[in-house]
Amino acid sequence: SQQGEEDPQALSIQEGENATMNCSYKTSINNLQWYRRNSGRGLVHLILIRSNEREKHSGRLRVTLDTSKKSSSLLITASRAADTASYFCVPRGGFKTIFGAGTRLFVKA
Amino acid sequence: EAGVAQSPRYKIIEKRQSVAFWCNPISGHATLYWYQQILGQGPKLLIQFQNNGVVDDSQLPKDRFSAERLKGVDSTLKIQPAKLEDSAVYLCASSPGQEHEQYFGPGTRLTVT
Repeated sequence: SQQGEEDPQALSIQEGENATMNCSYKTSINNLQWYRRNSGRGLVHLILIRSNEREKHSGRLRVTLDTSKKSSSLLITASRAADTASYFCVPRGGFKTIFGAGTRLFVKA
Repeated sequence: EAGVAQSPRYKIIEKRQSVAFWCNPISGHATLYWYQQILGQGPKLLIQFQNNGVVDDSQLPKDRFSAERLKGVDSTLKIQPAKLEDSAVYLCASSPGQEHEQYFGPGTRLTVT
């Protein structure tokens, strides 16, 4: 299975704090993608990290990838109430796309 | 650039009726996906097209669901007949290639009564 498993299932933090979400997978990959779903903007692609990359940044987002441990993490720095959403990781190494249950992040103002 | 367009945005039908959803992907995107998303769960891939060919339809309930992508551009997803458990948001996404990032449309919220 190429499904990513996000951890924790839910996370509640105060505005301004950092949020870290983890993803584990089981097969070899070509890249790993993170997506966010909130009520306002639907499902949106956040960042793609290739298998030969170890870290990638995009604004307040930092993604790491450890292919030896088959794991990835998404760090959101200086969180805002607008970051309240569900976050999904999607490992890609073939044709099939499988979304897991996601991490539900709640940022309290 | 224009995003992925879907219509209708909302649909309410009775069980055993038929319904069709339409998707217009981003221009030039070869790969098109249809997902079913039930509240509290991640999106479930129903079917994936590469141009106008089917790459994966392993989770499409083929006794009642059908999809086509004419000329490798627009796509329609049909349910006939609908069941109560089909109530969900149906998402269409497109990407430049099979392992590229996906761009999602706003979805169609289907309620089957």
